[in-house]
Amino acid sequence: NAGVMQNPRHLVRRRGQEARLRCSPMKGHSHVYWYRQLPEEGLKFMVYLQKENIIDESGMPKERFSAEFPKEGPSILRIQQVVRGDSAAYFCASSGKGDFEQYFGPGTRLTVT
Amino acid sequence: GESVGLHLPTLSVQEGDNSIINCAYSNSASDYFIWYKQESGKGPQFIIDIRSNMDKRQGQRVTVLLNKTVKHLSLQIAATQPGDSAVYFCASTGTASKLTFGTGTRLQVTL
Repeated sequence: NAGVMQNPRHLVRRRGQEARLRCSPMKGHSHVYWYRQLPEEGLKFMVYLQKENIIDESGMPKERFSAEFPKEGPSILRIQQVVRGDSAAYFCASSGKGDFEQYFGPGTRLTVT
Repeated sequence: GESVGLHLPTLSVQEGDNSIINCAYSNSASDYFIWYKQESGKGPQFIIDIRSNMDKRQGQRVTVLLNKTVKHLSLQIAATQPGDSAVYFCASTGTASKLTFGTGTRLQVTL
């Protein structure tokens, strides 16, 4: 039973480029969460999605960041016109309907040069 | 707003001793708490959880204690092993949605 999968594991982008991070939830899970982690800090909630719906995006920056979870395929976190401050580890988690327990993927480490 | 904090950034224990990692939370509406373990370069790994209607829950070598009166959570690891070395986070939520994480405690196990 595959866990949460994220790709790429490492992503390097120059300032101004776009970053696309992908997340495939655990089999049977329909809820996806994205978190950001800066070095030596805890994870910060960004967005919570269900299939084709954004449920809570209260942690998403108002500009340049967007997320989707289409009917088919992985969830995508998209960062446009990246800046150095976007460098961080981005983690995706998934859960089943009504479940509190969230399972995390290995993360994507984004480096903006 | 809700915040979850930790008392100690680093905890050093000898192999075989018991470890206690503490966590304070501020939102009295939180009703579900989780401890995660994160090794370097990896994602958080679920350890144990507890709901607000409980004050203690035990797993394999781990125990979580919840004191709602003082909004305090602790993780106890029995007979700490080198493989337990990692950063430990507590997290809480009031609904089946976003988790609020603390900043983490680094556990170092010495031989």
